[in-house]
Formats: sequence, structure tokens, C-alpha cells
Amino acid sequence: QQPVQSPQAVILREGEDAVINCSSSKALYSVHWYRQKHGEAPVFLMILLKGGEQKGHEKISASFNEKKQQSSLYLTASQLSYSGTYFCGTERGSGNTGKLIFGQGTTLQVKP
Amino acid sequence: DGGITQSPKYLFRKEGQNVTLSCEQNLNHDAMYWYRQDPGQGLRLIYYSQIVNDFQKGDIAEGYSVSREKKESFPLTVTSAQKNPTAFYLCASRDRVDQPQHFGDGTRLSIL
Repeated sequence: QQPVQSPQAVILREGEDAVINCSSSKALYSVHWYRQKHGEAPVFLMILLKGGEQKGHEKISASFNEKKQQSSLYLTASQLSYSGTYFCGTERGSGNTGKLIFGQGTTLQVKP
Repeated sequence: DGGITQSPKYLFRKEGQNVTLSCEQNLNHDAMYWYRQDPGQGLRLIYYSQIVNDFQKGDIAEGYSVSREKKESFPLTVTSAQKNPTAFYLCASRDRVDQPQHFGDGTRLSIL
């Protein structure tokens, strides 16, 4: 039931781009993306509801492919502050459970 | 400022002892959640509550108990039945199903 994230880890130089994927074998109502720095609480990035919409937040955007039950997070022109672990949280069905299942995380390291 | 307050930040448990982690929110959110995070792992759902006086088990509820007597409070008790309680515990709340979860700063629990 846990969504699968790929890759598990990625190392970038400042200014490079990255894509993190989140796949589920079940029909999804929504996908949430969070970033967590070591020892801190996860910070919300964006939420995508079923319907295949794409959202953007500064140089970070995401898409949700309802047919494939897959979401992708796009990090453009990465900055040092983008380093951390990225988690997707998925919500199934009609969304009335309020229950998120998180992936295992993707560790991103941005080097100068 | 509105937010979620978890206390204590660090907690040590003796063998055979029950300990209670506090979670308070002043966001007026209906839903509240407890997650457990182990080193290098994602977030696993322990319990969640969508309304006062009601809560449901998550994926790893064994050895834990909760109560939801007030809208703003959702304490988690780690009982002696939980044999491996060492982890980072995160509390979250959410307003509606199309809204993100907001996290507290977490409690780090260790065994003495």
C-alpha cells in the first residue's frame, strides 16, 4: 500500500534540475509533497488532487497523472536550500478518510 | 501565532513504563494524526482522529493508545507493550481533505 518513490537518493550541483517520482498501485484521491530537513518536522510543499493538474511553487512544481497513479516533483535550478528528504503522501478513494500513506522518501543533496 | 505544539522535545522511557506525548493545536482543525519515524524511514501512521471523541487505528497502532476529548488536544501514550519505542514521533493536524497536514516539531523518544 505504501507508495514507491524513485530515485532513493540524488546528488546535484547548484543550478541542476531533478525529478522525483511517486507511484501507487491503488487509485488515488490526492498526492501531498513534503520536504524534511534532518531532525526537523516535514514542511508542506504542495498538494495535487485527482484531475491531472500541475502546480508550481517558485522553482518547484509537480504533476499528477491519474491514469498512471503517479506524481512527479520537479526541482528546477536547484539551490543549496533544496537539500533534504522529500516525501510524497498519498490519499486513496474519495478522500474522506483523511489518511495519508507516505513513501519511503528521496534524499536530495545539492552541492555548491 | 497558530500552530501545533508537541512536548516534550526529548523523552526517555524506562522499561515497563508508559509515557505520554502531548500534542496541542490552536488551528481549529478537526483532524489530527500521530506518526512514527525511524532513522532513514518514512512516516508511518499510528492513530488518527477526524472528530472529537472518535479515532481510528493506523498501520502500526499496537502498543500505543490515544484519546481525543478536546478538539485541540490529541495525546499519544506509548505503553509498555511497545517493545521498540525508540523513534521520532510527529503529530499533525488538517482542516479539510483538500488541505495539507501541518506538523509539530516532534518528540524524540529513547529507552533508558
